[in-house]
Amino acid sequence: EAQVTQNPRYLITVTGKKLTVTCSQNMNHEYMSWYRQDPGLGLRQIYYSMNVEVTDKGDVPEGYKVSRKEKRNFPLILESPSPNQTSLYFCASSAGGSQPQHFGDGTRLSIL
Amino acid sequence: GQQLNQSPQSMFIQEGEDVSMNCTSSSIFNTWLWYKQEPGEGPVLLIALYKAGELTSNGRLTAQFGITRKDSFLNISASIPSDVGIYFCAGQSGNTPLVFGKGTRLSVIA
Repeated sequence: EAQVTQNPRYLITVTGKKLTVTCSQNMNHEYMSWYRQDPGLGLRQIYYSMNVEVTDKGDVPEGYKVSRKEKRNFPLILESPSPNQTSLYFCASSAGGSQPQHFGDGTRLSIL
Repeated sequence: GQQLNQSPQSMFIQEGEDVSMNCTSSSIFNTWLWYKQEPGEGPVLLIALYKAGELTSNGRLTAQFGITRKDSFLNISASIPSDVGIYFCAGQSGNTPLVFGKGTRLSVIA
């Protein structure tokens, strides 16, 4: 089954404790992306990757890092999480930058 | 960054009614997409539009790519309880990042 898999689905942690949210897709997609979803603000892009070893900032990249060492994986790293990064996060992938994106089921992060 | 104006923000309708929502932009897009998000899940693609003036249907859903390339509409006919969710429009130009509207929350009263 074609899918985008995120882990963990839920995480409660404390300020400053580094965390990584993994994202993996099995569709051999070149394009991958991370979004955060907040009430009243919709989906905002954090980072995206057009291909392996190529990453670019989205609209809200501050406080986040990503890496794309292989095509299927695109982890989101919060080096020093803060409460304002409490949000619902989605990973997405597509065959190309102009193709419709397929979304994972989301990761709900709470930073205390 | 670019923003899309999506309206209405929320709708409460009776089962069986038709629904209409729209998105407008100050920028021209080459692609318009409509997604639906249900609780606890990620957005799922409903309809993709690639050509100005294009009208595309998916079951009871119909979406149109505006002639000016700055707007798009989604209509749902004869709504049913499982239509409940948040509907997002998204626009894209070339390989630039997808821009999302803030969503329309649809509630269907049986």
